[in-house]
Amino acid sequence: DTGVSQDPRHKITKRGQNVTFRCDPISEHNRLYWYRQTLGQGPEFLTYFQNEAQLEKSRLLSDRFSAERPKGSFSTLEIQRTEQGDSAMYLCASSLTRTNEQFFGPGTRLTVL
Amino acid sequence: TQLLEQSPQFLSIQEGENLTVYCNSSSVFSSLQWYRQEPGEGPVLLVTVVTGGEVKKLKRLTFQFGDARKDSSLHITAAQPGDTGLYLCAGAGNNRKLIWGLGTSLAVNP
Repeated sequence: DTGVSQDPRHKITKRGQNVTFRCDPISEHNRLYWYRQTLGQGPEFLTYFQNEAQLEKSRLLSDRFSAERPKGSFSTLEIQRTEQGDSAMYLCASSLTRTNEQFFGPGTRLTVL
Repeated sequence: TQLLEQSPQFLSIQEGENLTVYCNSSSVFSSLQWYRQEPGEGPVLLVTVVTGGEVKKLKRLTFQFGDARKDSSLHITAAQPGDTGLYLCAGAGNNRKLIWGLGTSLAVNP
């Protein structure tokens, strides 16, 4: 399967702990996106990369969130000092630069207790 | 700010019925995509429409892009329980960043 993969699929953590999620995009895709989604809502944009460059970060994203894509391949999203409001599904998507079609991974479900 | 309004938000119908979901905006999009998402999974791309007035069919699903490229509709004929899920539309904005609707949660009852 050469689709987008995410790890872990589920993460339960206690408030105040740090968590890190990984996304492996489709290999030839140079754009990578992170979204957050709560139940029954559409995806909320967090940030995106073109190769290794982080081109945009949502103003809604607090300083506790950071994302990297060091070699332009996989990406990590870290949340520091988690809060209960961070509980959500975190989605990763990738695309080619020349198209708007984004292909999503299965997501990481985060629960902060 | 570009916005994409999706309606209805919730829809519960019986198997065999037809339905239409709408996405509307005051902004022009270079393209618009429809996704379907099942619980606990990521959205899956169904179709991309690019040209104003374009109609695309995917089995029992018919997608239409408005002439002015500001709105789109998804029509499902003879809905099946397997069609149950969250349907999302997303329009490509000026910088190619997708503008997302809030989704239509569809339940098709046997």
